[in-house]
Amino acid sequence: QSALTQPASVSGSPGQSITISCTGTSSDIEDYNSVSWYQQQYPDKAPKLVIHNVNIRPSGISDRFSGSKSGNTASLTISGLRAEDEADYYCSSHTRRDTRVFGGGTKLTVL
Amino acid sequence: EVQLLESGGGLVQPGGSQRLSCEASGFTFRSYAMGWVRQAPGEGPEWVSSISDSGDKTFYADSVKGRFTISRDNSKNTLSLLMNNLRAEETAVYYCAKYGERYLDYWGQGILVTVSS
Repeated sequence: QSALTQPASVSGSPGQSITISCTGTSSDIEDYNSVSWYQQQYPDKAPKLVIHNVNIRPSGISDRFSGSKSGNTASLTISGLRAEDEADYYCSSHTRRDTRVFGGGTKLTVL
Repeated sequence: EVQLLESGGGLVQPGGSQRLSCEASGFTFRSYAMGWVRQAPGEGPEWVSSISDSGDKTFYADSVKGRFTISRDNSKNTLSLLMNNLRAEETAVYYCAKYGERYLDYWGQGILVTVSS
């Protein structure tokens, strides 16, 4: 199972919006509404769920985080960027083989 | 509060075996599927394995199939991962994780497994 494709890095200034894309295949993203997004603020800290089932925010996650999907590509948008949003972001999807696949990660820099 | 506490990591020689355990609390363990995810240094997470709530269904990444075995003890709220024939490239932080509906909603703090001679 190949990893999902994400841009290596994105950046934005405080207050701006950024979007991170995540491209998969017909065997994962396109076939299931089970895309999730994780934030990892430090390399040794566990990833934190920020979006599940494409566009659902867990309790306690800011409404500045939103998700969407079109075909085999999912997207995470963070609006009103804040310094504390600086982190690595990973997408993930359920697959047709009942496994999960992750993206390679996108480093978000808040300028 | 959901808590997942991994144990059993450390240094193991290539070709060796290691057993990881995860003690769960703060939720009804027997009602949720569970899984293991690993993250090599400087890399993104890699899904390793999952097990159904009752333990009757198990799934593995192709890279570990035939070498790793996932299991659970619902009477002890414990998840395990037996890893055989370990390879140097499997050096990573291994996370225990709880499933929501087809997504991993809570992760443990992770435990380092180093495969080296």
